[in-house]
Amino acid sequence: GESVGLHLPTLSVQEGDNSIINCAYSNSASDYFIWYKQESGKGPQFIIDIRSNMDKRQGQRVTVLLNKTVKHLSLQIAATQPGDSAVYFCAENEGGADGLTFGKGTHLIIQP
Amino acid sequence: NAGVTQTPKFRILKIGQSMTLQCTQDMNHNYMYWYRQDPGMGLKLIYYSVGAGITDKGEVPNGYNVSRSTTEDFPLRLELAAPSQTSVYFCASSYGRRSNQPQHFGDGTRLSIL
Repeated sequence: GESVGLHLPTLSVQEGDNSIINCAYSNSASDYFIWYKQESGKGPQFIIDIRSNMDKRQGQRVTVLLNKTVKHLSLQIAATQPGDSAVYFCAENEGGADGLTFGKGTHLIIQP
Repeated sequence: NAGVTQTPKFRILKIGQSMTLQCTQDMNHNYMYWYRQDPGMGLKLIYYSVGAGITDKGEVPNGYNVSRSTTEDFPLRLELAAPSQTSVYFCASSYGRRSNQPQHFGDGTRLSIL
């Protein structure tokens, strides 16, 4: 079936820089998207979500952008901190089906 | 506020043994889910429930069973453990319609089948 994927398995950034994590999805029927952060040994933690009637949504130091034309989702983290080091997953609902479909994740590494 | 609590955190089973993974939530959420996460992969849905007494299969239900007798609890049962079931299992819950509300996750049960 259709699934959510990520462009890079690992992203390394300098502390204080902005991070951009990308996600591509293939199901045009998806109307809800979520970004999760997963630290080692922990469950996924909700960061931010966006519905398909929006292009952009901002939270504290995070912004999610949705481009429905090219089926692309991104997570921007401003002023990356050591505590941001984790695996980030995007997830989508595929038109109201069972639960969410998750991508494989991007490991964000913070360089001092 | 405990959120979603899973027990045990770790378990090693022998092939053919059975066990129940426990999940409870204190947020009065109607929807609950079980996922498995294999190394380097995203989460795959095993079973879900939209309320007490109602359960349904997800993407990878074979080898598992669930029950939902109360709003708070959603145990996952492995009847005949197989090596392919070695994984990290996550329980989640959400308040509203299953596909447009954020799901809240527990910290997982790490299960090894030897």
